[in-house]
Amino acid sequence: NAGVTQTPKFQVLKTGQSMTLQCAQDMNHNSMYWYRQDPGMGLRLIYYSASEGTTDKGEVPNGYNVSRLNKREFSLRLESAAPSQTSVYFCASRSRDRGNTIYFGEGSWLTVV
Amino acid sequence: KQEVTQIPAALSVPEGENLVLNCSFTDSAIYNLQWFRQDPGKGLTSLLLIQSSQREQTSGRLNASLDKSSGRSTLYIAASQPGDSATYLCAVDGGGADGLTFGKGTHLIIQP
Repeated sequence: NAGVTQTPKFQVLKTGQSMTLQCAQDMNHNSMYWYRQDPGMGLRLIYYSASEGTTDKGEVPNGYNVSRLNKREFSLRLESAAPSQTSVYFCASRSRDRGNTIYFGEGSWLTVV
Repeated sequence: KQEVTQIPAALSVPEGENLVLNCSFTDSAIYNLQWFRQDPGKGLTSLLLIQSSQREQTSGRLNASLDKSSGRSTLYIAASQPGDSATYLCAVDGGGADGLTFGKGTHLIIQP
């Protein structure tokens, strides 16, 4: 059981380049999330998808776009990367039953130079 | 807006000690509260989940308590071991579709 899988694990981008972080879960969860984690800031929600076909902004959505491709996959796109987007990105998922635990991927380390 | 605070930010204790990590939140209208562990370079692993109607949850050497009315939770670790060294995060679920609000974590070091 793979759980939540993120790719790539590491990426270095130049300012202005674009890239997409991929996330897939195999637990048939309805809700999926993208967080970023920065030193001293904790985890902050970028975007979330409560169900297939819906997406909503979180706390820090500027500079990002998302796609809920199907129930399994939720991608995060940086259209024009900036050094301020250097961070660790985590994808997470959980079932519609909100009492259930949220499951995280292993993280994607992104450096923008 | 919910705010979650964890104290202390860092803690270093000798092996074998019992210790308490603290978490406070500003809005007591929560659905549940979770404690996570994060090892360096890794994702988050859920340790304990306490529903709003519960007072505590236990798993092995870990015990988490919840006092919703005062906006506080504690994670008690008994007989600490070097393998317990990690960052511990507290997160509150307000019941909305937007998931959890996280504290900034407590970085714990257990000295052998």
